[in-house]
Amino acid sequence: AQTVTQSQPEMSVQEAETVTLSCTYDTSESDYYLFWYKQPPSRQMILVIRQEAYKQQNATENRFSVNFQKAAKSFSLKISDSQLGDAAMYFCAYRPGSSNTGKLIFGQGTTLQVKP
Amino acid sequence: DSGVTQTPKHLITATGQRVTLRCSPRSGDLSVYWYQQSLDQGLQFLIHYYNGEERAKGNILERFSAQQFPDLHSELNLSSLELGDSALYFCASTLGLAGVTDTQYFGPGTRLTVL
Repeated sequence: AQTVTQSQPEMSVQEAETVTLSCTYDTSESDYYLFWYKQPPSRQMILVIRQEAYKQQNATENRFSVNFQKAAKSFSLKISDSQLGDAAMYFCAYRPGSSNTGKLIFGQGTTLQVKP
Repeated sequence: DSGVTQTPKHLITATGQRVTLRCSPRSGDLSVYWYQQSLDQGLQFLIHYYNGEERAKGNILERFSAQQFPDLHSELNLSSLELGDSALYFCASTLGLAGVTDTQYFGPGTRLTVL
């Protein structure tokens, strides 16, 4: 069974600085998708970024980028120029690629605090 | 706003009762997923429906059931409620089954409190 592990329950960063959130996963499949979701205090789940496993290029969305290491099964999220609005819980998620379902398997989450 | 709606936002009920949570997917989306977020279990996949048919089941209790109607909205029924069922229940929708572009967009969730 696939599993997702986020080993950092909490992280903090100074406003305008850069922070990296870690995620590792375990799977025997070669085709899959990875995601980072943000959950602010409102509890809404917001998609931050996605990565297709068959793409070697790391995904980037404005201040958010990932470091995807397929062989190491690692998928970290880098937030540059951190803003107060980035404070939230971040979830790493895995989705099987060759399946008749797109169910997401989530990690435990990392709470990010942004200090002014 | 993701375009996915869930009602009610909050639900408070007693042990042993039965409740129904409702989800309306984004316009045109055929897949609906249900997830449970609790303090001890984290975010867990419950069930997936595509165009009215059940496609996958996760850690869903036998006391829980779901269905997707012809207009594509979905309902999650929770019965014989226990204290441990208190959680945030999300639904998410995608256009297709499990395609490359099928990213899940989440509704705002229903907060269930069982007293």
